[in-house]
Amino acid sequence: AQSVTQLGSHVSVSEGALVLLRCNYSSSVPPYLFWYVQYPNQGLQLLLKYTSAATLVKGINGFEAEFKKSETSFHLTKPSAHMSDAAEYFCAVSEITGAAGNKLTFGGGTRVLVKP
Amino acid sequence: DSGVTQTPKHLITATGQRVTLRCSPRSGDLSVYWYQQSLDQGLQFLIQYYNGEERAKGNILERFSAQQFPDLHSELNLSSLELGDSALYFCASSVAGGGRVEQYFGPGTRLTVT
Repeated sequence: AQSVTQLGSHVSVSEGALVLLRCNYSSSVPPYLFWYVQYPNQGLQLLLKYTSAATLVKGINGFEAEFKKSETSFHLTKPSAHMSDAAEYFCAVSEITGAAGNKLTFGGGTRVLVKP
Repeated sequence: DSGVTQTPKHLITATGQRVTLRCSPRSGDLSVYWYQQSLDQGLQFLIQYYNGEERAKGNILERFSAQQFPDLHSELNLSSLELGDSALYFCASSVAGGGRVEQYFGPGTRLTVT
């Protein structure tokens, strides 16, 4: 089974500072990885995905993530935090199940607080 | 707005009761997934349907069941409810059934069992 670990359940950053959210995965096959964001009282929104093409992936809202196979990592960054980035962020790995199914396995999430 | 709709938004019920959560996938998507989000368990995959057929099963309790109808909407039935079933239940959809594709999530149904 595949797994995802997010280091740090809470991160506090100042407005304008770098946002760095860490994600490490465990997978026996080349992984497909995703970052989702959950704003308060809302569903999960797809930020970006890695599907074995370019290792640096750009997403929405100025976020990007870099896939590093040697480190089994897929960290999410944004150069300059904005107040609207305050949310919870989830890293996930897609896993094929059985003959023809699939599911997402999520990390524990990282809640980002942005200070003015 | 992902295009996935879920009703109701909130549900409050008592222990021992049964509830039904409803989900409509994005237009064109054939797969529907159900996830449970709770403080102690995080986000957990429950079950996947593709074009009316069950495709994958996660840690779904026997008291829970789901189905996908010919119009592709899905319902998650939760019975003999316990306090620990209080959680946010998400539905997601994708175009494909197999392969490792991105899933689009609905706004969720918050279930409170008292």
